[in-house]
Amino acid sequence: AQKVTQAQTEISVVEKEDVTLDCVYETRDTTYYLFWYKQPPSGELVFLIRRNSFDEQNEISGRYSWNFQKSTSSFNFTITASQVVDSAVYFCARSYTGANSKLTFGKGITLSVRP
Amino acid sequence: DTGVSQDPRHKITKRGQNVTFRCDPISEHNRLYWYRQTLGQGPEFLTYFQNEAQLEKSRLLSDRFSAERPKGSFSTLEIQRTEQGDSAMYLCASSTHRGLGYGYTFGSGTRLTVV
Repeated sequence: AQKVTQAQTEISVVEKEDVTLDCVYETRDTTYYLFWYKQPPSGELVFLIRRNSFDEQNEISGRYSWNFQKSTSSFNFTITASQVVDSAVYFCARSYTGANSKLTFGKGITLSVRP
Repeated sequence: DTGVSQDPRHKITKRGQNVTFRCDPISEHNRLYWYRQTLGQGPEFLTYFQNEAQLEKSRLLSDRFSAERPKGSFSTLEIQRTEQGDSAMYLCASSTHRGLGYGYTFGSGTRLTVV
């Protein structure tokens, strides 16, 4: 199975600090998609960002930014000026093109933002 | 658009009993997915439907599990003769057939506890 690895398990920061969440993925495909999801204590998975394998342009959206590097198979996610409401579990995931569109998730990173 | 609905939110059952969960996808979405999430892990793919056709089943889906999507609308996931190892959050998601990599919409999940 082509895995998604989130080596960090728990991160604790003080409000207003920047925090980067790491993600490394395995792939034998040339076309694939990468995602970040947030799971607050309520349990629902909230879609944050996606990138496709053809677009390595890194972007910023509000307080979120991501760094996609195919050469190292990494898709890191940064929250700038963290807030207490950012406290949640964050999952990195990848999907496949074609008929098989399932998502493979990492184990998640628990982010705690302290006031 | 009311999002993806799952019912019930919580289910406690005795070992050996059968349980059934329901998922109502976003109305215009023709793809529907089931995932299972155990404590401290990321969601794991179980199965998915395109319209009423079940196109893939994970090896995680033992013979005790069955999923249906009659008429390509809502879906049910049944677990027969539940075991304690079945305790988990069962997540449903939906997308359009063009949703390959465009991000799914997840429901809030059904948390199953087998005692």
